[in-house]
Amino acid sequence: GQQVMQIPQYQHVQEGEDFTTYCNSSTTLSNIQWYKQRPGGHPVFLIQLVKSGEVKKQKRLTFQFGEAKKNSSLHITATQTTDVGTYFCAGPHNTDKLIFGTGTRLQVFP
Amino acid sequence: ETGVTQSPTHLIKTRGQQVTLRCSSQSGHNTVSWYQQALGQGPQFIFQYYREEENGRGNFPPRFSGLQFPNYSSELNVNALELDDSALYLCASSLASWDYGYTFGSGTRLTVV
Repeated sequence: GQQVMQIPQYQHVQEGEDFTTYCNSSTTLSNIQWYKQRPGGHPVFLIQLVKSGEVKKQKRLTFQFGEAKKNSSLHITATQTTDVGTYFCAGPHNTDKLIFGTGTRLQVFP
Repeated sequence: ETGVTQSPTHLIKTRGQQVTLRCSSQSGHNTVSWYQQALGQGPQFIFQYYREEENGRGNFPPRFSGLQFPNYSSELNVNALELDDSALYLCASSLASWDYGYTFGSGTRLTVV
């Protein structure tokens, strides 16, 4: 079945450093979504990318969808302690379910 | 506009028992998906309901069942609880099956002892 893997599994950074998580799907995706889950919280939708090679920015966050629509990345510039959490990518499987990646847990030290 | 609400927030059940979890979807959303999230793992798709019909199912046994009501609220039922069913159960509503961002509820933390 479809698998969505993310690397790294964990990342510890000093506040102010940059952070990147990579998402790879075993199949081509029609779109990719990104979610953030704070410790003890629930996933919160961040963004959806649809087009091949698409790049979108939200303040310090930059999201990219690969040309082959099988991978994606999330880059955070100058991390802050408020960025702490687990970042999940998610892509549709068939037309009836959103499959979540394995997640990258980000810890930011002040 | 109300978000997604789930009840109860926490629940402790004994192995072999049955449990019902409830979810009220966000206003205007007609699709509800249920996910199981074990500690330290990503959400695993259980099933999805669209306009009261099951619209897809993940790799979960038949003892996991659900309903969606005319107001688009939903229930997740789990029979014959096992210890491995202990997890956070998340309900997510959306405008369509996968083409829009999902709005998640805060989840129900189920502990099976």
